Amino acid sequence: GAGVSQSPSNKVTEKGKDVELRCDPISGHTALYWYRQRLGQGLEFLIYFQGNSAPDKSGLPSDRFSAERTGESVSTLTIQRTQQEDSAVYLCASSFDTSGRRTEAFFGQGTRLTVV
Amino acid sequence: AQSVTQLDSQVPVFEEAPVELRCNYSSSVSVYLFWYVQYPNQGLQLLLKYLSGSTLVKGINGFEAEFNKSQTSFHLRKPSVHISDTAEYFCAVSDLTSGYSTLTFGKGTMLLVSP
Repeated sequence: GAGVSQSPSNKVTEKGKDVELRCDPISGHTALYWYRQRLGQGLEFLIYFQGNSAPDKSGLPSDRFSAERTGESVSTLTIQRTQQEDSAVYLCASSFDTSGRRTEAFFGQGTRLTVV
Repeated sequence: AQSVTQLDSQVPVFEEAPVELRCNYSSSVSVYLFWYVQYPNQGLQLLLKYLSGSTLVKGINGFEAEFNKSQTSFHLRKPSVHISDTAEYFCAVSDLTSGYSTLTFGKGTMLLVSP
């Protein structure tokens, strides 16, 4: 598609339930990022995928968070046993990265997750 | 490891006044630098980027930024702001050593333009 697409745009879930967020990156982009943005705060890095390399998971806040990406296509971010502090906007971005060269990251509109 | 510091969480300014939003970064290698803007209830949009070449970079909406390697800074400037520039501005850095590197953001600066 023309841009990064995220679904759903809004998700309300009950505490303790699992949620799955989806990101469709720009076609051909090798890198994909997930960030979390809590209300009134900056972007918190969660995970980074680059081609077929092992993902950088250093930003995942707990083992309740996981993410997958198949090749250079769709990614899903899963949050198990959601807690109220997981409420945030989850942003996905993609870019074309090769060794020594990178384009800017293009962001999706985000998924607003509310845990009640 | 790389990091970004945006010292000002909020910058209030009157319409048509000049503004500078500060960004300092920390990295042991050469970097790419970016400024993103987030308007209320919207996603992030690239404002401008420094990849190489001229250290003065011009972006959209009349913004520009200057890369200063010795001071590890990438401050954003606009000579005359508009009400519509009210938004959150994020500085970001990514290193050049390989294609495998995260994009690290600062905590953001809220620009508040009043009449």
